[in-house]
Amino acid sequence: DIVMTQSPDSLAVSLGERATINCKSSQSVFYSSNNKNYLAWYQQKPGQPPKLLIYWASTRESGVPDRFSGSGSGTDFTLTISSLQAEDVADYYCEQYYGLPYTFGQGTTVEIK
Amino acid sequence: QVQLVESGGGLVKPGGSLRLSCTASGFTFNDYYMIWIRQAPGKGLEWVSYIGSSGTPIHYADSVKGRFTISRDNAKNSLYLQMNSLRAEDTAVYYCARGQVSSVWYLGPWGQGTLVTVSS
Repeated sequence: DIVMTQSPDSLAVSLGERATINCKSSQSVFYSSNNKNYLAWYQQKPGQPPKLLIYWASTRESGVPDRFSGSGSGTDFTLTISSLQAEDVADYYCEQYYGLPYTFGQGTTVEIK
Repeated sequence: QVQLVESGGGLVKPGGSLRLSCTASGFTFNDYYMIWIRQAPGKGLEWVSYIGSSGTPIHYADSVKGRFTISRDNAKNSLYLQMNSLRAEDTAVYYCARGQVSSVWYLGPWGQGTLVTVSS
């Protein structure tokens, strides 16, 4: 199984500041035949289901604010919130859909400092 | 708008059975892969099973293989999860989610979830 490891487990960021979450896969999730990284990011607010933010490592889902961005390739990926808003308090998960079983990172909790 | 609504959760004794349902609306259900994912209380997300748009392919997590059965009724825009031989460790919120047309890939949207509690 591909193991997804996120860091940190939690972080506290001041409003308007940048938040950065890292995700590392135990093997590459890059498929060279189509030049795509099979990596998604989800946001889960308290008491709500997860919501898709980013897919193919860097493609923002429709309706997601542009302060959210994804980057990285191969085994190392980053979700960046450029200017943290109060409504961004949530758990964030990366997920690889390169190989079965598809697997999630353990999650990163983002709070306001 | 696209909507997924789960039902069928509840309290069941170890060894018991439960059938979850997910009713979809707002999109062409029979075009999409569909997935069940669960989240134990206070824990992270775990894949359970997926099913292709026409009923195949089907895949199960090792943790549920042989005990759970996924199915769909495209005429009713519905996805199902038959859960047998339930264990305490199956206690979780079960979400249905939509995959993509060509494969599972990334997931969205998700339903609100239904809680399954396995306890004596």
